[in-house]
Amino acid sequence: DQQVKQNSPSLSVQEGRISILNCDYTNSMFDYFLWYKKYPAEGPTFLISISSIKDKNEDGRFTVFLNKSAKHLSLHIVPSQPGDSAVYFCAAPLNFGNEKLTFGTGTRLTIIP
Amino acid sequence: DAGITQSPRYKITETGRQVTLMCHQTWSHSYMFWYRQDLGHGLRLIYYSAAADITDKGEVPDGYVVSRSKTENFPLTLESATRSQTSVYFCASSDMSSWGLTEAFFGQGTRLTVV
Repeated sequence: DQQVKQNSPSLSVQEGRISILNCDYTNSMFDYFLWYKKYPAEGPTFLISISSIKDKNEDGRFTVFLNKSAKHLSLHIVPSQPGDSAVYFCAAPLNFGNEKLTFGTGTRLTIIP
Repeated sequence: DAGITQSPRYKITETGRQVTLMCHQTWSHSYMFWYRQDLGHGLRLIYYSAAADITDKGEVPDGYVVSRSKTENFPLTLESATRSQTSVYFCASSDMSSWGLTEAFFGQGTRLTVV
C-alpha cells in the first residue's frame, strides 16, 4: 500500500511560471521528507529535503512546504526553467535510521518554452 | 571515475536464467541499496546493506539475492529470472551522519528485460 502518494502523473508549466508538485502521505510517524529529480536514462538525484520540525525549506529556486495536519507536502519551483523538465519523486524514510526510503510514483514535469 | 556505477546498462535475458547486476561505488559509503522502478509504482527497495557482510530485505526482496563481501561492491542476483522482474534497477549509496543517513546517490540504472 502506497504510503507516499503523488496523485498527478504529469504537469505542464510555462517557462518562467511557478511549478507546484504535490505529495500526500498516510503515515503520521514520518518525520523527514525528500524530493528527488530524475532525467531520462539517468538515476534520481537528490533535490531538497525537509524535517517535520519545519514547515518550509528553501534552496534557491526550490522550496518545499510541509503541512503536517493535512499530511501534505509540496515542491515549488520558481521560476521554472526548461532544465527543470524531469520526473520528480517525493520520498520518506520508513524507519528511524532512514535506511528504508519509500517513494511516491513520481510526477513528470514538462516546462514549455 | 568517482561515483557509483552500474553494469551492464542494458540486459536481455531468458526466463529461468540467472543474471547478476553489478554496482560499484568509490566513496566508501557504508550503505548501499537496490531499487527497482516500474510504471505506477515509483521506486521500490529490494535490498539494502549497512556494511560489508550485513544485508537486509526491503519492500520487494522475493526472487533476488544480494551479497556484500567488499564495501564498494553490492551485486544483485536474480536466481531464476521471471518476466515480472523486467524493470529498471537502480543501485544507490549513502553514508551515516549524526542524525541519520545522508541523501542517497544513485547509479545510472540497468534496464533488464526478461523474455
